[in-house]
Amino acid sequence: DTGVSQDPRHKITKRGQNVTFRCDPISEHNRLYWYRQTLGQGPEFLTYFQNEAQLEKSRLLSDRFSAERPKGSFSTLEIQRTEQGDSAMYLCASSFQGAGTEAFFGQGTRLTVV
Amino acid sequence: GEDVEQSLFLSVREGDSSVINCTYTDSSSTYLYWYKQEPGAGLQLLTYIFSNMDMKQDQRLTVLLNKKDKHLSLRIADTQTGDSAIYFCAPKGQYGGATNKLIFGTGTLLAVQP
Repeated sequence: DTGVSQDPRHKITKRGQNVTFRCDPISEHNRLYWYRQTLGQGPEFLTYFQNEAQLEKSRLLSDRFSAERPKGSFSTLEIQRTEQGDSAMYLCASSFQGAGTEAFFGQGTRLTVV
Repeated sequence: GEDVEQSLFLSVREGDSSVINCTYTDSSSTYLYWYKQEPGAGLQLLTYIFSNMDMKQDQRLTVLLNKKDKHLSLRIADTQTGDSAIYFCAPKGQYGGATNKLIFGTGTLLAVQP
C-alpha cells in the first residue's frame, strides 16, 4: 500500500462548473476525513466517514458540497456551482478507529476556480 | 472551540537546532501530533507525544510537552535545508469529538539558510 492517494492533483475550473475529487485511503483504514486548506492557513475539517457512514459535517460544508464513501473504501467530494472562494487545497486523510491512531494525509487536490 | 497558536516564521542556519513552539487550549488533549508540509504537498506525520509524557525523542526530533501550560515544542537537531517546510502542531482532544478530527493552527514556516 502506497498510502493515501488523491486524484486529480490539480484542477482548474471555470466559476459555476461542478468538480469531483477522489480519495483512496490506506486499505485497512475505516476512518476517512476531508480537510480544506487555503493559502497561509492550516487545514480545516470538512467532513468525516467511518466506513460508509458520514458521521460529521462541518458548518464550512455548504449545500454545494457533497461527499460520499459508497462502499467504505474510496471517497468522492463534489463541489457544485464552484465559486472563486472555493479555490483551495483539498486534503484527504485516513486512519484506523481509535483515540491514539494517527491520521495519514494524501498529497491533496489543488483547486483553482477562475 | 479549540485554539492552536504557533509563531508564523522561524529562520535558522544549516547545522543549528530549530525549536518550533505551539500553545493550545484544549486541556483534554491526549495525543499531540506534529506534521510537516512541503510546498504544494500534503501533510507528513513527523511524530507525536501522548499526554502522560514530558518528552519524546525520535532521531533528530525531540518533542517537549508542558501539559500544565498547554505548551508543546518540536526541536530539530542539526537542521538541514531539506527541513525547510511548514510545521503544524495538532492536538487531539475533546474538541475533536468522537471523530478524533485534528485541529490545526496556522503553522510555522521554517526557513533553513545554507
